[in-house]
Amino acid sequence: DQQVKQNSPSLSVQEGRISILNCDYTNSMFDYFLWYKKYPAEGPTFLISISSIKDKNEDGRFTVFLNKSAKHLSLHIVPSQPGDSAVYFCAAGGGAGSYQLTFGKGTKLSVIP
Amino acid sequence: NAGVMQNPRHLVRRRGQEARLRCSPMKGHSHVYWYRQLPEEGLKFMVYLQKENIIDESGMPKERFSAEFPKEGPSILRIQQVVRGDSAAYFCASSPPGQRIANTEAFFGQGTRLTVV
Repeated sequence: DQQVKQNSPSLSVQEGRISILNCDYTNSMFDYFLWYKKYPAEGPTFLISISSIKDKNEDGRFTVFLNKSAKHLSLHIVPSQPGDSAVYFCAAGGGAGSYQLTFGKGTKLSVIP
Repeated sequence: NAGVMQNPRHLVRRRGQEARLRCSPMKGHSHVYWYRQLPEEGLKFMVYLQKENIIDESGMPKERFSAEFPKEGPSILRIQQVVRGDSAAYFCASSPPGQRIANTEAFFGQGTRLTVV
């Protein structure tokens, strides 16, 4: 049972345009959401997070939106740069075993110069 | 500021051998988490340890897998009698005391890629 779903395995975007990565979750006990970026043969790197008490968090080119009623979050990257090409993982935490993070399968973003 | 250090980066084992994966948390971090990533999958929680204590091992396979985090030295994830299905990337993360991993920028190591031949 996948509690965190990233339904798009891959996404291609032109440099300078907006990249939108989506994530859905099923567990209403989740109260904290994170996005990680991962390059091949490297560990995940924290990008941005959002608490369930907010609906938006912004950090430079990266903005995460949370729609609790839809159990949906999205990561917006604008403008997209070739260096943003990586696999992006959505992760959620909270509820029972709150020290665990539950990850989606990832979306591979390719930013085309 | 050294990050989470994992070694080895790559490990090849024959079926039936033992694999030992090491993780040194960031300085000042006393909580360690192990995650496994199978090919084409997301990371899956395995075990959460504090110094000398296993707090939650609900994600660990019941047999052949064990983890420890001694008072001195790195955390060790041990896999006995490895099988092909154990081939994966194993990531370690650490967090400071008093903070849930989900509330922090949990820092991950670069991972150990285990290949069982």
